[in-house]
Amino acid sequence: QVQLQQSGPGLVKPSQTLSLTCAISGDSVSSNSAAWHWIRQSPSRGLEWLGRTYFRPKRFNDYASSVKSRITIEPDTSKNQFSLQLNSVTPEDTAVYYCARGPWIQLDFDYWGQGILVTVSS
Amino acid sequence: QSALTQPASVSGFPGQSITISCTGTSTDVGSYDLVSWYQQHPDKAPKLIIYEVTKRPSAISNRFSGSKSGNTASLTISGLQAEDEGDYFCCSYAANSNWVFGGGTKLTVL
Repeated sequence: QVQLQQSGPGLVKPSQTLSLTCAISGDSVSSNSAAWHWIRQSPSRGLEWLGRTYFRPKRFNDYASSVKSRITIEPDTSKNQFSLQLNSVTPEDTAVYYCARGPWIQLDFDYWGQGILVTVSS
Repeated sequence: QSALTQPASVSGFPGQSITISCTGTSTDVGSYDLVSWYQQHPDKAPKLIIYEVTKRPSAISNRFSGSKSGNTASLTISGLQAEDEGDYFCCSYAANSNWVFGGGTKLTVL
């Protein structure tokens, strides 16, 4: 049974960096049959895919064009987790952030973290 | 504004069937048989209920079914039950390693 446990601060100041971590159990961040995604949800933007990281066998990343200049997703194989960093945040980045597993063939999101509400405010 | 268009709300009585549509374009829904559907209850993470247009994860009831025609995918829930009430989102793989979601449909069981 795959479980994803998210952690990170719920409040970030404008212009600073949003940082979240997703710890994986029941699978491996270096798996060659899955990718690891970040998705956010807000009332104004709905569900929005942000990006993914995966190994084939070297590491690859894909990012949504809307955040490409500000986002970094990195795996940590020693801790079996992956992280999200979003720079230069504004109140528009206020959302519930989810991590999720994406099976390679199906290209959907079959396991999700619990979600963390991140508010961007001074 | 979401990339995929869904009705804002739908309702039905217990035991009835309802269908939720999800309209995209030829660059997402119309190009790939990679539409998935998610159920979300309040303050919970989305839950996968349909993948690859028509397939169900093993733990999902066969009351849930999916289909696609052209640029429009559909989710049908038969034999409505009270626990089906919640929000439903469609999602499609799109070109260039991108995913797009629908705006969500609120299902009310009357």
